Amino acid sequence: DADVTQTPRNRITKTGKRIMLECSQTKGHDRMYWYRQDPGLGLRLIYYSFDVKDINKGEISDGYSVSRQAQAKFSLSLESAIPNQTALYFCATSDPRLGSNQPQHFGDGTRLSIL
Amino acid sequence: GENVEQHPSTLSVQEGDSAVIKCTYSDSASNYFPWYKQELGKRPQLIIDIRSNVGEKKDQRIAVTLNKTAKHFSLHITETQPEDSAVYFCAASDGSGTYKYIFGTGTRLKVLA
Repeated sequence: DADVTQTPRNRITKTGKRIMLECSQTKGHDRMYWYRQDPGLGLRLIYYSFDVKDINKGEISDGYSVSRQAQAKFSLSLESAIPNQTALYFCATSDPRLGSNQPQHFGDGTRLSIL
Repeated sequence: GENVEQHPSTLSVQEGDSAVIKCTYSDSASNYFPWYKQELGKRPQLIIDIRSNVGEKKDQRIAVTLNKTAKHFSLHITETQPEDSAVYFCAASDGSGTYKYIFGTGTRLKVLA
């Protein structure tokens, strides 16, 4: 089945380290998103991309950067990790070919802990 | 910025009873409203969605209602079962045409056997 795959699933690292979270998808979707989930705060958008040349900031982009290496790959980087970036991170995709607003399909998430 | 408020944050019901989760949105141009279910340790999964040209949509035990005038929409689950226990998120599309969604803060539903 076509899917959204995130790696790693879990990561523990130290303050100040550079970290990359990777997302790949076999759904053939052009739109890709990175979210952060914190208890009681829901899902907050970090960055989104509608194609390889289109990258946009979400509501909480400070401290993060992204790279859309191909239609199927969208990576999230923390240049210098800090403890308050400890969270569950989700990648999602959606298909513009079906129309304007379409459901987003999520990966299994990466649980990131920064000590 | 645009906002989606979701209530209650936690909800406990007896098995077989109904559960209702309510969301309000601020962007009058929002026109798509999905609901996601997230089981413990799993990814959010779409369970039902509604577009602004429809007032109600049902899928077996799940229904969503939309009141555009009041800018609120609700998820209704009837005949609840233990496997309905999860966190539920509502979302509203960003009305600026950017294909972003604004999520509510989630409702933890517990169905007591």
